[in-house]
Amino acid sequence: KAGVTQTPRYLIKTRGQQVTLSCSPISGHRSVSWYQQTPGQGLQFLFEYFSETQRNKGNFPGRFSGRQFSNSRSEMNVSTLELGDSALYLCASKGGTGGLETQYFGPGTRLLVL
Amino acid sequence: ELKVEQNPLFLSMQEGKNYTIYCNYSTTSDRLYWYRQDPGKSLESLFVLLSNGAVKQEGRLMASLDTKARLSTLHITAAVHDLSATYFCAGDTGTASKLTFGTGTRLQVTL
Repeated sequence: KAGVTQTPRYLIKTRGQQVTLSCSPISGHRSVSWYQQTPGQGLQFLFEYFSETQRNKGNFPGRFSGRQFSNSRSEMNVSTLELGDSALYLCASKGGTGGLETQYFGPGTRLLVL
Repeated sequence: ELKVEQNPLFLSMQEGKNYTIYCNYSTTSDRLYWYRQDPGKSLESLFVLLSNGAVKQEGRLMASLDTKARLSTLHITAAVHDLSATYFCAGDTGTASKLTFGTGTRLQVTL
């Protein structure tokens, strides 16, 4: 089975721009979560989508948004970029059974805001 | 709100030695996870622990969970250089879709 894929892998933007990141989950996985990783704040949950609906949301401003398509692929968008948005953005899809569900992470998109 | 703390933050150990990474969490967590991250890479799932007293082992790594103490440990046996990485523990409070991560423990195994 192919793993979680994310595109693009690297991105450089300037302040005030917007960016869209894409994530394709493992085949058959319907839940997709997004995380931001920075040296200062560590790994922080952004939001989760399941069956095209946002099911959970972390403590991020409204500039961070996402969506999920009928094939479970997900996108996240960050508008009006700030320097502090520079981070590794990780997408994860959930799989497993018997209470042992776990999240499988993609390679990440490294975003640099100048 | 679930909070997860790990210690130590940094661990330098010699090959062949044993050590333990500790993960404390603040409220009930339905599952406890351990992940590994190599520099510049993504997170690799190591263990999922569900119930009190759960113990799982893979190679030189063994994870355990004590839900009463709200403590999980990751024990490294006879460390080798290939185990050098950052290890994260994480908890979740329901659907296994919103993980709360610890700060990570950067493990450096030296010859």
